[in-house]
This record gives sequence, C-alpha cells and structure tokens, in this order.
Amino acid sequence: DAGVTQSPTHLIKTRGQQVTLRCSPISGHKSVSWYQQVLGQGPQFIFQYYEKEERGRGNFPDRFSARQFPNYSSELNVNALLLGDSALYLCASSLAVRAYNEQFFGPGTRLTVL
Amino acid sequence: GDSVTQMEGPVTLSEEAFLTINCTYTATGYPSLFWYVQYPGEGLQLLLKATKADDKGSNKGFEATYRKETTSFHLEKGSVQVSDSAVYFCALRSSNTGNQFYFGTGTSLTVIP
Repeated sequence: DAGVTQSPTHLIKTRGQQVTLRCSPISGHKSVSWYQQVLGQGPQFIFQYYEKEERGRGNFPDRFSARQFPNYSSELNVNALLLGDSALYLCASSLAVRAYNEQFFGPGTRLTVL
Repeated sequence: GDSVTQMEGPVTLSEEAFLTINCTYTATGYPSLFWYVQYPGEGLQLLLKATKADDKGSNKGFEATYRKETTSFHLEKGSVQVSDSAVYFCALRSSNTGNQFYFGTGTSLTVIP
C-alpha cells in the first residue's frame, strides 16, 4: 500500500508569491497534519484536519491556511511568502485524532523562497 | 506549554561505540513519547515509542525508557553502525492536544568506520 504522498517534491518561489502544497494520506486515514521543518530544527506543528474540519492550529500567521477535501487529501496554502518560509513541509496522516492514533509522515515538500 | 529539550549535536562516534542521546520533556496530561529518525533527503521514520511511564520502547537495537520521575526519554544503543548515521528527533504527543506532535530540535549522529 502507498504511504503518505506529497507534491511537489521541490518548489522555488520568490518573496510575495503564493504557494500550494498537496498531501494524500494513507488509504483509510481521515486525519492530516502539517508541519514546517526549518533547516537544522525539529518540525513545528502548523495544522491538523480531521473529517474536513480544522482540529488544531499551531503558532503560525494567518498567511498560512489549509483545507481537507472529501477524499481526505489536503492542501496547505501560504500567501505573501517570506524568506523565512523556506523549509521542508511535512504532511502526516493518521486514522483519527486520538492520542493513540499513530501518525505516518510523508517525504515532504522542500520550499525555497528567493 | 508542551515542549521537548534534546541534547544538541552533532555527535560523532566510531563504529561499535555506545550511543546516548538525552531528551527531557515538559507536558500537561499524560504524554506519549517518541523517537523519530531522519536519513538525509528523507522524511521522518518512527524509531520507537512509549505510551506510559516505565514503558521501554525498542527497535533495531535502540532503546528508550519513559521516566516520569525525571521527565526523560533518553535514546541508547549499545553498538552503533555506520548505517545509523542520521538525525534523531525526540517528540511527545499529549492527550490534551489531540495527537499533534511536539518535536525537539534534533541531534545529528555521524558514525565513522
């Protein structure tokens, strides 16, 4: 079975632009979470969605938004890109949002903002 | 809030040396604790986990024990191999905040032959 998939693999944008990142969860998983991993740091939680509803939000500005579709795939949008948004963006899926539901991570999308 | 403090690296060891990477945590509720590994150019892979106090997680020769009295979850391996070279992340997940993770800053390990 396929794991979590993310697209694109790499992306280069300039300051002020907007970007959309995509994630497909493992089949049967209804929750998707997004994390930002800046080089040399641990992943930071951005959003969690379950059954198309936002269930958690990290400490990120309103330039960051996300949504989940009926097939449980998800998009992360970032507007007005800043240099500091350059990072690896990780998506993780889980069956649900209980503490015991294990999360499985995708390979990430590497975003570079010039 | 919930947080994880992890031993800073980088760590360089010779093959077959003993490895310890320290991790302590602060959390409300009853967190589950994890170690993830990230190989160059790849995403995160779950290495081991422990869901309650005194549990020991183990995998591929790595071990970590959930110590509530010292709020620690140190990673150990008795004999490292070159293939263990990677970045290791300690993480917690608190039942108070759904199942989102809080990660440490990561410890880079290089094992030399």
